[in-house]
Amino acid sequence: GAVVSQHPSRVICKSGTSVKIECRSLDFQATTMFWYRQFPKKSLMLMATSNEGSKATYEQGVEKDKFLINHASLTLSTLTVTSAHPEDSSFYICSAPTGSKDTQYFGPGTRLTVL
Amino acid sequence: GENVEQHPSTLSVQEGDSAVIKCTYSDSASNYFPWYKQELGKRPQLIIDIRSNVGEKKDQRIAVTLNKTAKHFSLHITETQPEDSAVYFCAASTSGGYNKLIFGAGTRLAVHP
Repeated sequence: GAVVSQHPSRVICKSGTSVKIECRSLDFQATTMFWYRQFPKKSLMLMATSNEGSKATYEQGVEKDKFLINHASLTLSTLTVTSAHPEDSSFYICSAPTGSKDTQYFGPGTRLTVL
Repeated sequence: GENVEQHPSTLSVQEGDSAVIKCTYSDSASNYFPWYKQELGKRPQLIIDIRSNVGEKKDQRIAVTLNKTAKHFSLHITETQPEDSAVYFCAASTSGGYNKLIFGAGTRLAVHP
């Protein structure tokens, strides 16, 4: 399958700081990427759709000013958690659809811990 | 919006037995239904998917069936092995260009030797 990478894999930060997470499609171009968060032993919750060259589309209940998304190129989307708080601690995973438009491959995830 | 329900939440089987996980979806416009396997701390891995124009798909020990009328689909794993132990998620697409996926709550499968 297609390869999607994320960086960093793990980050620990202090409350109030901002954290940037990168998602890259390594062997294909992705005009659209998706960002999910996953709490322990829970399902994947879609946060937003990242669109190359335009604004991201956020799911209901997701604060767009807190979770800033930038899709700078056809292979890179970034999620910035601004003014992070302990309740933002979670596993953040991105995914990208391939040329078939519906088959999605996931990145390895980023475990964020806010102290 | 789309809602996906998944059952059971946990499933324990003996090695060699079959395992069945069922999901229902609410949006009749959904046309793509993937299944993902997630091991602890790792990314979800696509194991099989089915599109709405097909009723059944099989890949070795794994099969998926889809009933569009009833809006439910199921994952069947035969001859289970301990390495099948993981959390399995079903998902359903929403309508649109690049389809968003809405996930079920997950099923924790334990295969005992």
